Amino acid sequence: GAVVSQHPSRVICKSGTSVKIECRSLDFQATTMFWYRQFPKKSLMLMATSNEGSKATYEQGVEKDKFLINHASLTLSTLTVTSAHPEDSSFYICSASQPRANEQYFGPGTRLTVT
Amino acid sequence: GQQLNQSPQSMFIQEGEDVSMNCTSSSIFNTWLWYKQDPGEGPVLLIALYKAGELTSNGRLTAQFGITRKDSFLNISASIPSDVGIYFCAGRRWGSQGNLIFGKGTKLSVKP
Repeated sequence: GAVVSQHPSRVICKSGTSVKIECRSLDFQATTMFWYRQFPKKSLMLMATSNEGSKATYEQGVEKDKFLINHASLTLSTLTVTSAHPEDSSFYICSASQPRANEQYFGPGTRLTVT
Repeated sequence: GQQLNQSPQSMFIQEGEDVSMNCTSSSIFNTWLWYKQDPGEGPVLLIALYKAGELTSNGRLTAQFGITRKDSFLNISASIPSDVGIYFCAGRRWGSQGNLIFGKGTKLSVKP
């Protein structure tokens, strides 16, 4: 149980284009989903917390207009990187938690490369 | 953002040896989680701890929630090559809504 998937696993896009990453909880309902960014050999950096049916809460320094988050259902959250630039290249990982649960279960990550 | 103090930063050990790593915080935590991350993958939950003093095992892994609520350790006994990876501790501060705070990770290398 507690499986989280991400799609795509790897994407290369041109500078100026937008990219959408999907995060799905496959066998449970996730009232809260989290989006992280991870630089090489670094820890996970929380970007935003997404609650189903409400606006995402962004961490300080994360541009909400650049990283659009939608959590339209209890099993799906999407992160759209708008007008991507090479410095947005990174490993993006989502996680999901069940109602009233303390654990977060992570997806396999999406490697974004902006050329 | 705030991060936990996780040590050691990296370890190089021989197969069969035991491993110990720990995390400390200046704040009281109500949850400690230990994750393992393989290259190019998302972290996988290994052990979750919820009570001060709690000692929990998962196969060759054992983790404890410190009595002071400000620390946790993870032990791996009789290491094998597939234990290689980065281990992260994560915790939730007492009274917070759900966001985890992560340690910087311990990179484990195992020589066969």
